Amino acid sequence: EAGVAQSPRYKIIEKRQSVAFWCNPISGHATLYWYQQILGQGPKLLIQFQNNGVVDDSQLPKDRFSAERLKGVDSTLKIQPAKLEDSAVYLCASSPGLAGGNQETQYFGPGTRLLVL
Amino acid sequence: QKEVEQNSGPLSVPEGAIASLNCTYSDRVSQSFFWYRQYSGKSPELIMSIYSNGDKEDGRFTAQLNKASQYVSLLIRDSQPSDSATYLCAVNSGGSYIPTFGRGTSLIVHP
Repeated sequence: EAGVAQSPRYKIIEKRQSVAFWCNPISGHATLYWYQQILGQGPKLLIQFQNNGVVDDSQLPKDRFSAERLKGVDSTLKIQPAKLEDSAVYLCASSPGLAGGNQETQYFGPGTRLLVL
Repeated sequence: QKEVEQNSGPLSVPEGAIASLNCTYSDRVSQSFFWYRQYSGKSPELIMSIYSNGDKEDGRFTAQLNKASQYVSLLIRDSQPSDSATYLCAVNSGGSYIPTFGRGTSLIVHP
């Protein structure tokens, strides 16, 4: 079974530029998560999708971040314009569903390392 | 604001010892609790999940949950240098099982 795929793996941009990340979850997984992980901290949930609907985006800085999951499969996360403090690893994860038990187990992709200069 | 608290460490233990990692959470109605391991430069991977009070054992790992005290722990028996990593506690809350992660505890197992 293929894991969660993310691209690009690394990205260096200048502040005020825009950037987009892509994620393809494990086949059949209904729930998709985007996290921001700053060095030395735990993952911070940015947005959670169930199929193509948003479950939670309370910590997504909506003035500059946007995310979509068209057709309930792969997803993109965009930052526009980027700030220095956006330098972090952006992790995508998927889980089978939200029904509890093993449905909630998250499987993480390799992440995208973003450096904003 | 749901909070999950972990001591950032590092926790240093000798090879063969028991490592004890602790986590407290603020949302009393949390339902699901997870321990993930994250090696430096890698992504988190699931170690254990626990949903009801008590102990759950899987090989050298034991997760303990006390909902009354809002406390979850992970014990690693016979610690190995390969266990050296950051251990993340995650708690799912609410009807939509929204996850909150702690900042992680760094574990160092020295030979």
